[in-house]
Amino acid sequence: DAKTTQPPSMDCAEGRAANLPCNHSTISGNEYVYWYRQIHSQGPQYIIHGLKNNETNEMASLIITEDRKSSTLILPHATLRDTAVYYCIVMGNNNDMRFGAGTRLTVKP
Amino acid sequence: GAVVSQHPSWVICKSGTSVKIECRSLDFQATTMFWYRQFPKQSLMLMATSNEGSKATYEQGVEKDKFLINHASLTLSTLTVTSAHPEDSSFYICSARGTGDYGYTFGSGTRLTVV
Repeated sequence: DAKTTQPPSMDCAEGRAANLPCNHSTISGNEYVYWYRQIHSQGPQYIIHGLKNNETNEMASLIITEDRKSSTLILPHATLRDTAVYYCIVMGNNNDMRFGAGTRLTVKP
Repeated sequence: GAVVSQHPSWVICKSGTSVKIECRSLDFQATTMFWYRQFPKQSLMLMATSNEGSKATYEQGVEKDKFLINHASLTLSTLTVTSAHPEDSSFYICSARGTGDYGYTFGSGTRLTVV
């Protein structure tokens, strides 16, 4: 019962920006948008999260629309090691974390 | 940052035997931990929520007598797959809520193969 919709797969050229979209039209006012990624046969890795303002850290930027119904994760300069499944998750505080299908990003040389 | 250690990383066991998987929060206390299962080419599915000092809460369709969860301390939760069968072969992942508001920190996962 994931609350998000993501494209199943995307390709990106190495060195270019990867823009991964996520729709979360039923998000509640107190729910955050989290992004995780999972490299094959590993546990998910935290990337970034936000409530309503755009966020940036050393890994990525998160752009959240004003109505909060969608967001975009931006990897500014994708490398081959960024190939992974990226999960967009909507979650309130003290809730459990449930995963949707995610987007399989393939970074190509 | 918050670190969650999961052990073993992989295990092969015979059908009918039991396997225990450990999940430890190394640098923080976790009153709540979560167990997920992931089949090949699928997403993570939440199995149960593990609460320190109390019974685990299982998701619908998860057999609590088959997947025993114990959360005896603030840094350790264990998942025991009892009487394992080949269909229990999967990737099991634990997580715990870290400090601050960084969502959940995940272990590296345990690949269980039942032969």
